[in-house]
Amino acid sequence: SSELTQDPAVSVALGQTVRITCQGDSLRSYYASWYQQKPGQAPVLVIYGKNNRPSGIPDRFSGSSSGNTASLTITGAQAEDEADYYCNSRDSSGNQVFGGGTKLTVL
Amino acid sequence: EVQLVESGGGLVQPGGSLRLSCAASGFTFSSYEMNWVRQAPGKGLEWVSYISSSGSTIYYADSVKGRFTISRDNAKNSLYLQMNSLRAEDTAVYYCAREVVVVPAARYLGWGQGTLVTVSS
Repeated sequence: SSELTQDPAVSVALGQTVRITCQGDSLRSYYASWYQQKPGQAPVLVIYGKNNRPSGIPDRFSGSSSGNTASLTITGAQAEDEADYYCNSRDSSGNQVFGGGTKLTVL
Repeated sequence: EVQLVESGGGLVQPGGSLRLSCAASGFTFSSYEMNWVRQAPGKGLEWVSYISSSGSTIYYADSVKGRFTISRDNAKNSLYLQMNSLRAEDTAVYYCAREVVVVPAARYLGWGQGTLVTVSS
């Protein structure tokens, strides 16, 4: 399968911890990368590889993986974290594949 | 600073053609695999096409196969997407994306700001 499955929407109280998951067969072979997208903006990389953050991404963002499931965790969610989050990897054919996206609401 | 700047978007009638360009700077363009990714209004990200660093390997999503052609000019640090037989469902923001390989199993995409393509009569 070349699909990645995400929950469409997740909410979290301000300052609490939230986990966004991504499932797919390709995740057994490739790490997921995670992108944050705010309205009207291009996606921004927040996590890649085993658990790597690009420069400028707060350390409250972390990633993990087990079997066919990758997770993005935000520990101590802030109002500015409200956004759409997409997971991404490559499938066995070498094509990029994206999850459907998770809309994160910070209450 | 790594920059990807897309251009060429606009309004086109169904059945028409459009050529998107992506100007790359701040990195050795010829060393990187590149992709086009699109996002329809209010929808998620959809991968469109891939080209290897040399241009020798190309892939397309089924939704655009036979209609779109990806190409690159490493001497001009530029990526292109020729879009023919456009349909209303091709309406989207089109992003140029650099594929960064950390290790073969760990990759990520670096994105341009996108260019809007609207297919409508």
